[in-house]
Amino acid sequence: QVQLQESGPGLVKPSETLSLTCTVSGVSMSSNYWSWIRQPPGKGLEWIGYIYYTGSTNYNLSLKSRVTISVDTSRNLFSLKLSSVTAADTAVYFCARDRGVEGIDVWGQGTTVTVSS
Amino acid sequence: QSALTQTASVSGSPGQSITISCTGTSSDVGGSNFVSWYQQHPGKAPKLIIYDVSNRPSGVSNRFSASKSGNTASLSISGLQAEDEADYYCTSYTDISTLVFGTGTTVTVL
Repeated sequence: QVQLQESGPGLVKPSETLSLTCTVSGVSMSSNYWSWIRQPPGKGLEWIGYIYYTGSTNYNLSLKSRVTISVDTSRNLFSLKLSSVTAADTAVYFCARDRGVEGIDVWGQGTTVTVSS
Repeated sequence: QSALTQTASVSGSPGQSITISCTGTSSDVGGSNFVSWYQQHPGKAPKLIIYDVSNRPSGVSNRFSASKSGNTASLSISGLQAEDEADYYCTSYTDISTLVFGTGTTVTVL
């Protein structure tokens, strides 16, 4: 079955760049959108952005200046970079498969990233 | 790109029915069929329960139903069960192809 697994540092210093990778297994990355979504402690979900397998991206306007999502279909993974982080970026970060009208149907388990010195 | 507005909390007794609303604008909910609903239990990843406004993925209970009217989408849960106690989020694509989540609704089974 389709599985997604986030990986990356759990602690990032303020002003540095948060980097996470999502490894996709059980399905080709072709013909799908791949998203990053986050959830600050005790708060709701926030969409960060998505990438199509071709490399086309779209980002949350409030984060656009700091976000880069990339894809490596040969290794079946996609990545998130969020620059100039602050404590407000502390959250559980989820990667997911977005099938558009059919919804976000597969999620990773989530990884906690804390921004602190 | 503001979050869609949901009632913060809804409660009901086992067996009852409840409805959660999700209000947006003509730039998102009102102008999109890409409306979905997600259930999230504490410490878990969200789970897709409704897509394309009113369709249920395979394996999701038919106690969950949804609709949309104008700028407001609604999720109903009938025959409320203890396992339905969770947070629920709506989402919609916008007219610039970004995704926006609702503020979330906590459902409590009394």
